[in-house]
Amino acid sequence: EIVMTQSPATLSVSPGERATLSCRASQSVSGTLAWYQQKPGQPPRLLIYGASTRATGIPARFSGSGSGTEFTLTISSLQSEDFAVYYCQQYTNWPRTFGQGTKVEIK
Amino acid sequence: EVQLLESGGDLVQPGGSLRLSCAASRFTISNYAMNWVRQAPGKGLEWVSTLTSGANTYYADSVKGRFTVSRDTSKNTLYLQMNSLRAEDTAVYYCAKISNSGWYEDYWGQGTLVTVSS
Repeated sequence: EIVMTQSPATLSVSPGERATLSCRASQSVSGTLAWYQQKPGQPPRLLIYGASTRATGIPARFSGSGSGTEFTLTISSLQSEDFAVYYCQQYTNWPRTFGQGTKVEIK
Repeated sequence: EVQLLESGGDLVQPGGSLRLSCAASRFTISNYAMNWVRQAPGKGLEWVSTLTSGANTYYADSVKGRFTVSRDTSKNTLYLQMNSLRAEDTAVYYCAKISNSGWYEDYWGQGTLVTVSS
């Protein structure tokens, strides 16, 4: 099983600032990495797939990078609606595995 | 817009059974792979099962032998039959559509809550 590890667990950021979230895979997943955003009481929403491709309707302030085992989600200028939990997921191997999540909170 | 509507969640005793449904709209489920993903209260996301368009099935080790995924194409509905339920199966269960361009979930339902408790 590929273990996905996200850091930090919690990120305190002021509105308008940049947020950088990390995701590490225990073995290479090439570019088969997705990022999801989840707000309380809501299902996850796809942000990024293929490590760096924004999903339909996702603002340009969200960007993904990385390949192999190291990945990054960057939110260039945090808006109030971006405070949420973010998960990475690998979809190269079974079982599909998610990171434990990074909570982005208001500083 | 794609819609997924889960139902069937309930309070059930340990050892009991439950069947979840996921009714899909505006796309044909047999043309796509579909996932079940769960989230225990206050916890992260856990993949549970996949049913491919070719009817292949995959399960997490934690549910293998107890859960069965299936679909009814006439109803355009995905199912998850859950047997021998345990307290650790307590979670919100989401169904999700898998994209045709990669094995990631591009649409999610709102989820249905399963509580296993005596």
